[in-house]
Amino acid sequence: DSGVTQTPKHLITATGQRVTLRCSPRSGDLSVYWYQQSLDQGLQFLIQYYNGEERAKGNILERFSAQQFPDLHSELNLSSLELGDSALYFCASSVAHSAGASYNEQFFGPGTRLTVL
Amino acid sequence: EDKVVQSPLSLVVHEGDTVTLNCSYEVTNFRSLLWYKQEKKAPTFLFMLTSSGIEKKSGRLSSILDKKELFSILNITATQTGDSAIYLCAVGGLGHSGGSNYKLTFGKGTLLTVNP
Repeated sequence: DSGVTQTPKHLITATGQRVTLRCSPRSGDLSVYWYQQSLDQGLQFLIQYYNGEERAKGNILERFSAQQFPDLHSELNLSSLELGDSALYFCASSVAHSAGASYNEQFFGPGTRLTVL
Repeated sequence: EDKVVQSPLSLVVHEGDTVTLNCSYEVTNFRSLLWYKQEKKAPTFLFMLTSSGIEKKSGRLSSILDKKELFSILNITATQTGDSAIYLCAVGGLGHSGGSNYKLTFGKGTLLTVNP
């Protein structure tokens, strides 16, 4: 158990719908990262937040958005869902990310499996 | 664009064999290379490497980084069936803007199957 929690574990929804995935980082971790893992694309970095602010963006679609709240939990919002959005979505956390810090390992949550029908 | 290539894609060995997994990368403003093991759940951290030539070791697993040739290897000796998993290599870089824009780019992984 990494200490990172994600809810829900599984989510099945229809095309065109909107869903919210939730992540609570390990106690003391300020950085949260979101990843999408599909069979053909592997693990893809989506977005990173540090202490409530967006810090890096990867291959995140405009239909997707995220935020990190004052209590450091984060939500990933996926809208206008398409069949191709079906994937495993991971959240990871680390102590810090900034240039002055050691580039800490990221600890992954158990993931949310999203199925779009 | 940052790129991480792992080889082989898949490997099947017998218990007791030694395996070497490869990871080569092209990353702007390299900062770290990480290895993860993924079974049927979330990736779990194995090693983080930031300096060339220094071997990191944990039990039967070891890894080394060559920053000049831009690659890393992960060795597993005396493999066991419990080593069967996907091994992911990820490289952290700061991108062209440098500063605080650190992000990890993952390779597609090597699927290791250890047969009894």
